[in-house]
Amino acid sequence: KAGVTQTPRYLIKTRGQQVTLSCSPISGHRSVSWYQQTPGQGLQFLFEYFSETQRNKGNFPGRFSGRQFSNSRSEMNVSTLELGDSALYLCASSYGTEGLEQYFGPGTRLTVT
Amino acid sequence: SQQGEEDPQALSIQEGENATMNCSYKTSINNLQWYRQNSGRGLVHLILIRSNEREKHSGRLRVTLDTSKKSSSLLITASRAADTASYFCATPREDNFNKFYFGSGTKLNVKP
Repeated sequence: KAGVTQTPRYLIKTRGQQVTLSCSPISGHRSVSWYQQTPGQGLQFLFEYFSETQRNKGNFPGRFSGRQFSNSRSEMNVSTLELGDSALYLCASSYGTEGLEQYFGPGTRLTVT
Repeated sequence: SQQGEEDPQALSIQEGENATMNCSYKTSINNLQWYRQNSGRGLVHLILIRSNEREKHSGRLRVTLDTSKKSSSLLITASRAADTASYFCATPREDNFNKFYFGSGTKLNVKP
């Protein structure tokens, strides 16, 4: 099976702009979770989508949003970018039941200048 | 706040030595998982231990879980330079097992 893919791998944006990141899960996985990783805050849970519905949400402002399509592919959007949004954004897919292991993509490195 | 905390934050050892890292968590769990992350890349799942298990082995990895102390340890035996990475414990919440919390990680450096 192909692994989790994320596009783009690297992105440079300016403050105030918006960005959309994409994640394609492993075939058959219905759950996609998004995480933000920074040196200061570590890995923080953003949200989780299951069968096109947001099932869980972390403590992030409304500027962070996401969606999931019928083929389980997911996108996350960050509007009005701030310098503090610079981070590695990771998505992970799983079958979505019983809290079993997650399979991570390589991440998108976002730099906001 | 994050659920788990790893200890130590950083560990440097020689190839062939054993590496032990610990994880503490705060609430009841369904299972606990360990992941490895090579520099700036995605995480790789290493091992899962369920709340009713006390010890689990996978190759050179040994994980223990003490639910009374809310702690877990990961032992890597006969370490190799390729084991150099950050290691994280992750806990899906018992009341919401699709929401994961990750610890702050232990950065392991194995010197050849």
